[in-house]
Amino acid sequence: QSALTQPPSASGSPGQSVTISCTGTSSDVGGYNYVSWYQQHPGKAPKLMIYEVIKRPSGVPDRFSGSKSGNTASLTVSGLQAEDEADYYCASYAGSAEAFGGGTKLTVL
Amino acid sequence: EVQLVESGGGVVQPGGSLRLSCAASGFIFSRYWLHWVRQAPGKGLVWVSRMNSDGRSTSYADSVKGRFTISRDNAKNTLYLQMNGLKGEDTAVYYCARGGYDASGSYGDWGQGTLVTVSS
Repeated sequence: QSALTQPPSASGSPGQSVTISCTGTSSDVGGYNYVSWYQQHPGKAPKLMIYEVIKRPSGVPDRFSGSKSGNTASLTVSGLQAEDEADYYCASYAGSAEAFGGGTKLTVL
Repeated sequence: EVQLVESGGGVVQPGGSLRLSCAASGFIFSRYWLHWVRQAPGKGLVWVSRMNSDGRSTSYADSVKGRFTISRDNAKNTLYLQMNGLKGEDTAVYYCARGGYDASGSYGDWGQGTLVTVSS
């Protein structure tokens, strides 16, 4: 069971777009369309932003979108806003287990 | 409104035991997979364990296998995590999270977490 690989940090100016990657293997990200993304502000519980690779829960702005190619999933945040500054985590079903990425700190410049 | 409320955290010595509980409300508890996820201070999220809706199937992270046991009481709408043989590296905030009706790789709702500190 290995953690998924995310860049430790990402940044962008207000209004810009930023993409965060999440790399796994054919046993997790590449093997299932069960990748999800979470936003976590300091001291708060995580919040589901994307599930099943591309789906957005009710209430999540359409500025957040997900995609996947092979063993790598991506979260794109368009039209960056100050409140998007947070830690972002990917997660994937992996059959007999599940895995999270190490997290990416998104800074809005 | 979905609510998940964890309890049972605290300070325990290495080798000790704790039982965490997660009281759920606002949804049909018996229909959902449930998970425990932990976060060490200043670190990232780590999946710990899951149980399917009827309680017949469980899975664990390698790091806790053989020491932790997940269970649920669908009559009491409560999820549990029995933690034995605790180690310093188990120190973390433990969250319970609601999964889907089946395997989904997603956690739609989270509790506020309960802090477990393993220290002598």
